[in-house]
Amino acid sequence: AQSVTQLGSHVSVSEGALVLLRCNYSSSVPPYLFWYVQYPNQGLQLLLKYTTGATLVKGINGFEAEFKKSETSFHLTKPSAHMSDAAEYFCAVTREGGYNKLIFGAGTRLAVHP
Amino acid sequence: DAGITQSPRHKVTETGTPVTLRCHQTENHRYMYWYRQDPGHGLRLIHYSYGVKDTDKGEVSDGYSVSRSKTEDFLLTLESATNSQTSVYFCAISDSNQPQHFGDGTRLSIL
Repeated sequence: AQSVTQLGSHVSVSEGALVLLRCNYSSSVPPYLFWYVQYPNQGLQLLLKYTTGATLVKGINGFEAEFKKSETSFHLTKPSAHMSDAAEYFCAVTREGGYNKLIFGAGTRLAVHP
Repeated sequence: DAGITQSPRHKVTETGTPVTLRCHQTENHRYMYWYRQDPGHGLRLIHYSYGVKDTDKGEVSDGYSVSRSKTEDFLLTLESATNSQTSVYFCAISDSNQPQHFGDGTRLSIL
């Protein structure tokens, strides 16, 4: 069965530092993987997705993620954190492949300090 | 965002009362979903719809029912609300081979 594990419920970085949010998944079918961001009192916004093809995917706001099948990972990175990156981040995989029925990780709250 | 409106945005009610949440879309997308968000669990799928009058259960469907009589509206009903259904509820929409887009959520408190 598909599942998602996000390592670290809280991550704190300094402004300008590297952001690394970890996501590992399990899937019985070729996975479609997603990162969403949630700002306070808002819905989820799609950051980036991996379906097929190039394993390094670039998203909005300078974020990128690399699909590593051998490690069953899809970690999210950003070279230089900005104060506006403070939010909660969710990794997700689709239950049956394709785009439907997402399974989410528990989320990682990112704090950015001056 | 993405033409999704959830109503109400906030609701406080008592245990045992019926509650209906509405999701309205203006995108004419085929698929609609209801999720609940709880600390430590991320979002979990309650029900989803793949067309008018076509719905199916998600992973946490007990105590919830849904209806979709029009493409644009997807209703989530708690027949008899319980404390454990206090949560933030999100609607999402998608079209074929497209990622899901989410509404701004409904915060539901059951006292």
